[in-house]
Amino acid sequence: DVKVTQSSRYLVKRTGEKVFLECVQDMDHENMFWYRQDPGLGLRLIYFSYDVKMKEKGDIPEGYSVSREKKERFSLILESASTNQTSMYLCASSFGTGVREETQYFGPGTRLLVL
Amino acid sequence: AQSVTQLDSQVPVFEEAPVELRCNYSSSVSVYLFWYVQYPNQGLQLLLKYLSGSTLVKGINGFEAEFNKSQTSFHLRKPSVHISDTAEYFCAVTGYSSASKIIFGSGTRLSIRP
Repeated sequence: DVKVTQSSRYLVKRTGEKVFLECVQDMDHENMFWYRQDPGLGLRLIYFSYDVKMKEKGDIPEGYSVSREKKERFSLILESASTNQTSMYLCASSFGTGVREETQYFGPGTRLLVL
Repeated sequence: AQSVTQLDSQVPVFEEAPVELRCNYSSSVSVYLFWYVQYPNQGLQLLLKYLSGSTLVKGINGFEAEFNKSQTSFHLRKPSVHISDTAEYFCAVTGYSSASKIIFGSGTRLSIRP
C-alpha cells in the first residue's frame, strides 16, 4: 500500500512565524502535490513537483514556497504565516507516467491554526 | 481550462436507501474524471475514475458513476448506502492537454440516517 505521511496532524502558530509542513511518501512516486482544503471551496492546488528540485505553481501559490531535495520528501513553507492561511493542508503523490490521469494518494492532512 | 460543480453541499439519506451525488464539469478539451472520498479525519482516497471506454465506471464499496458527455456530467450513485458511507465526496476533472491540472469540486457531505 502507498503510504503518504505528514509530519503533524495539528499545528498552532503565531502570525509572522515561519512554518514548515513536511510530507513523505514511501512508494518512489515521481509527482508530489500540496493542497489546501477549506469548507465550501474543496481542494485548491498550491504547488506540485514532478521531479527532485523541480516545482510548479498551482492555483494559489502566493504566500507559500516548497522544497523537494529528495524524491520521497516534499515540504511546504509558509514564509510568514498569516491568519488567512489557517486551513487544512493535504499532501498527495502519484506515480509519474502521466500526471493528468493518475490516481493521487493523499496523506491524512495537517490542520494549521494561525493566531 | 476546466471547472467542476458539485450541485449539493450536503445530502442526507436513510440507511439502505439509494443515493446520487451530482457532478457537472466544463471543459474545452476531452477530460478525465474522478471521484474521491474523504472519511472523517482522513485524507482523500480514490473511489473511481473515468479515463476512456465504457461510460459506466464501477468503483470501490459498491459505488458507480456514469460519464455523460452530452450533459457534461459524472454523477455518483450507490443503490443502497450504509452508515460507513458517511463521508465527504469530491468530484475532480483534468483535461487531456499537457497544461491541465486536476480541479476539485467543492465537495458533497453525505450523511446517513439510521
